[in-house]
Amino acid sequence: SQQGEEDPQALSIQEGENATMNCSYKTSINNLQWYRQNSGRGLVHLILIRSNEREKHSGRLRVTLDTSKKSSSLLITASRAADTASYFCATGGSQGNLIFGKGTKLSVKP
Amino acid sequence: DGGITQSPKYLFRKEGQNVTLSCEQNLNHDAMYWYRQDPGQGLRLIYYSQIVNDFQKGDIAEGYSVSREKKESFPLTVTSAQKNPTAFYLCASSIRPGLWSGELFFGEGSRLTVL
Repeated sequence: SQQGEEDPQALSIQEGENATMNCSYKTSINNLQWYRQNSGRGLVHLILIRSNEREKHSGRLRVTLDTSKKSSSLLITASRAADTASYFCATGGSQGNLIFGKGTKLSVKP
Repeated sequence: DGGITQSPKYLFRKEGQNVTLSCEQNLNHDAMYWYRQDPGQGLRLIYYSQIVNDFQKGDIAEGYSVSREKKESFPLTVTSAQKNPTAFYLCASSIRPGLWSGELFFGEGSRLTVL
């Protein structure tokens, strides 16, 4: 199925370091979204980047999109322990539905 | 405060029983969705509704049923026909119909365990 795949599956870093997560997808997209999920909670929307955009910033978040490579990256700068969560990318499917990847589990150690 | 409320947060069911998960939103959103999440997995779409009294099957609709009698409410029934119902269920909404149109707002989820 058309799906975004995040890489790596898990990432462990120290507070203050930057965290980079990648997402690859298979078909052309209208937009790509990143969501965050704390353990046992619902997902929270972080940022949406449209297919005609290459880079977008929101606070400590930086998202890039390379449609030629069908990939996106999420960079969290100066990470904090509170950033510990799973991060998902989501892209549009052929039926107009939003398809989520399996996520990257980020652990930020104080 | 506007948002999506799911209940119950935890639910235990015996095999053969139907259970209904509640999802209510006060965001005045047209579209609502139900997703299932299994450990270490992404979200899979069960059903979605773009307007009152209308809904469509997602990727894994077998063993589930929904209704959309009011704009604010989109309950999900997990029937006894669902072979492996133990999972985390997430309800979401979006301002406009069409899942490509923008962000989804999620509830806090309901964890169903079959005993």
